[in-house]
Amino acid sequence: QSVLTQPPSVSGAPGQRVTISCTGSSSNIGAGYDVHWYQHLPGTAPKLLIYVNKNRPSGVPDRFSGSKSGTSASLAITGLQADDEANYFCQSFDSSLRGPVFGPGTKLTVL
Amino acid sequence: HITLKESGPTLVKPTQTLTVTCALSGLSLSANGVGVGWIRQPPGKALEWLALIYWDDDTYYTPSLKNRLTVTKDTSKNQVVLAMTNMDPVDTATYYCAHRMVEASGAFDVWGQGTMVTVSS
Repeated sequence: QSVLTQPPSVSGAPGQRVTISCTGSSSNIGAGYDVHWYQHLPGTAPKLLIYVNKNRPSGVPDRFSGSKSGTSASLAITGLQADDEANYFCQSFDSSLRGPVFGPGTKLTVL
Repeated sequence: HITLKESGPTLVKPTQTLTVTCALSGLSLSANGVGVGWIRQPPGKALEWLALIYWDDDTYYTPSLKNRLTVTKDTSKNQVVLAMTNMDPVDTATYYCAHRMVEASGAFDVWGQGTMVTVSS
């Protein structure tokens, strides 16, 4: 069972906006540790989308944005496109486990 | 342009030791601040962090597997090696190596494609 929780799936039509939540606890996100987001297609290398809560690496479109509040963080994707269909997972640090922790992933379906 | 590529056996028997290698290009393992992590994902399950090694040979392990894991680096080959002893079918997973960003709270900015390892007799 993951230390971080995410909805198993979200969906949206092309052009719409979706958000994916990542909920933690007082030993990780709630303790102030930063959150990172990745996009993952099966059989490929995960791709960093957002780091340190809200920062985009070079090359990631501004359709992707991140936020964090309290014990949760969110990834928002606007202007949904067909090739956004993928798994998205969050990452933070947990003081009890003394290392990085990952969410279970959320499958985004573009209708 | 940093790339990482994992290699290793696709099948190991229970109780055997798994050795997987991560070859880096575009970045020297001896450069100040460089860190490489190992993460695995069992089929249908979440990612699990396993280990981290830094340019100065500092290492960290997930507590639940600490006694079974060893991570080392070979700077002459620019490779990182993960060894996991006493493999069990529950260790069946895709094993990834990833570059840890400097000054980014532990984000991994470049990942390998992963190597799938099945544990079965």
